[in-house]
Amino acid sequence: QLQLQESGPGLVKPSETLSLTCTVSGGSISSSSYYWGWIRQPPGKGLEWIGSIYYSGSTYYNPSLKSRVTISVDTSKNQFSLKLSSVTAADTAVYYCARQGLGYCSGGSCYSTSWYFDLWGRGTLVTVSS
Amino acid sequence: QSALTQPPSASGSPGQSVTISCTGTSSDVGGYNYVSWYQQHPGKAPKLMIYEVSKRPSGVPDRFSGSKSGNTASLTVSGLQAEDEADYYCSSYAGSNNFYVFGTGTKVTVL
Repeated sequence: QLQLQESGPGLVKPSETLSLTCTVSGGSISSSSYYWGWIRQPPGKGLEWIGSIYYSGSTYYNPSLKSRVTISVDTSKNQFSLKLSSVTAADTAVYYCARQGLGYCSGGSCYSTSWYFDLWGRGTLVTVSS
Repeated sequence: QSALTQPPSASGSPGQSVTISCTGTSSDVGGYNYVSWYQQHPGKAPKLMIYEVSKRPSGVPDRFSGSKSGNTASLTVSGLQAEDEADYYCSSYAGSNNFYVFGTGTKVTVL
């Protein structure tokens, strides 16, 4: 069955760029019509949506993080990735990748028709510290 | 982008029911039927329990039900069981500017 697995450095220095990859197994990102997302959770705190991407590359970003976030997709590797720049201690969190609902493209733009996450990776803790 | 408001805690005895509220605005909860609920056990990833206000994914017991009235959504867990003790988060589509927002979370304790 479909599985998601986050990978990347567990420790990032302040002001540097956090980079994580989510590998999807048991199914193809490009043959489906799903959006794929990143969500984070600081230790002991609640969930925060970071952003989502369609296999075509169309993205949605949390406006509070948009200036620092880039989400990309590599269909040849069945992966999608997160980059968060200029990190501080406040970016310390467990980062989850997840499958969002269906999307479609029309007139050159793509849209999500489902706003929920039905399949999650196990999460990876990223600590920002010097 | 403000988080949706949930009570910090809720509790009930085994077999009883517990209802968790999720209050937003007309720009998120009240404006769209895209409310979902997640269950999270300690150290685990969240699990989708309800989507689009009241739909249950395959495999989720029918003890879990969702509803919405105005700007407030609710999750009811009937026939509480020990394994229902967890944190619960609501979420909602929040329009073409903010897109998606989570609730503050509620810790459910089975007494």
